[in-house]
Amino acid sequence: DQQVKQNSPSLSVQEGRISILNCDYTNSMFDYFLWYKKYPAEGPTFLISISSIKDKNEDGRFTVFLNKSAKHLSLHIVPSQPGDSAVYFCAASEGNAGNMLTFGGGTRLMVKP
Amino acid sequence: DAGITQSPRYKITETGRQVTLMCHQTWSHSYMFWYRQDLGHGLRLIYYSAAADITDKGEVPDGYVVSRSKTENFPLTLESATRSQTSVYFCASRGDTYSNQPQHFGDGTRLSIL
Repeated sequence: DQQVKQNSPSLSVQEGRISILNCDYTNSMFDYFLWYKKYPAEGPTFLISISSIKDKNEDGRFTVFLNKSAKHLSLHIVPSQPGDSAVYFCAASEGNAGNMLTFGGGTRLMVKP
Repeated sequence: DAGITQSPRYKITETGRQVTLMCHQTWSHSYMFWYRQDLGHGLRLIYYSAAADITDKGEVPDGYVVSRSKTENFPLTLESATRSQTSVYFCASRGDTYSNQPQHFGDGTRLSIL
């Protein structure tokens, strides 16, 4: 059974608008959550993370929100740009942000000009 | 150029053959990881290593063998390839336990087994 799930395989957004990518998890032992961005033929690139002691972390246009009671996190991209078009993976780990990662299935974001 | 590199980038082989995927990092990172990416599953951990000569199984280790004789290299071997091992393989690394830094990934090896 998948411990990290991204229920939307794809998302299409207009340039300049907000993109919201969602992720759910089941394992209560996870205490670090990360988002990776992946372009075709490249490896995943770390984007932003949040520890379970926080409910929000912001880095420029990217904000991650964590709702521990609902076991849900989301990534907000504002404003969305065409260069943001990629596959976004949610991942979780225990004890350290760099420990073994459990990934969701990914969401393909398409930002239309 | 510093970083993490994987070779080959693309490989086609036949069932039953042995194939080795290479991973090399120049950061002197302690930890290295191997993942495979399949549609609908995201990335799944195959094996990881905390240091030279220390390796451990991940979520999907069956059919794979790893070794780590040097800190900078972490090869992954499929001893007798099967079609179900057709996938994209990613290697990753990170610093020691105290760094709390995320993993950095190579660009992957696309492996097709006919």
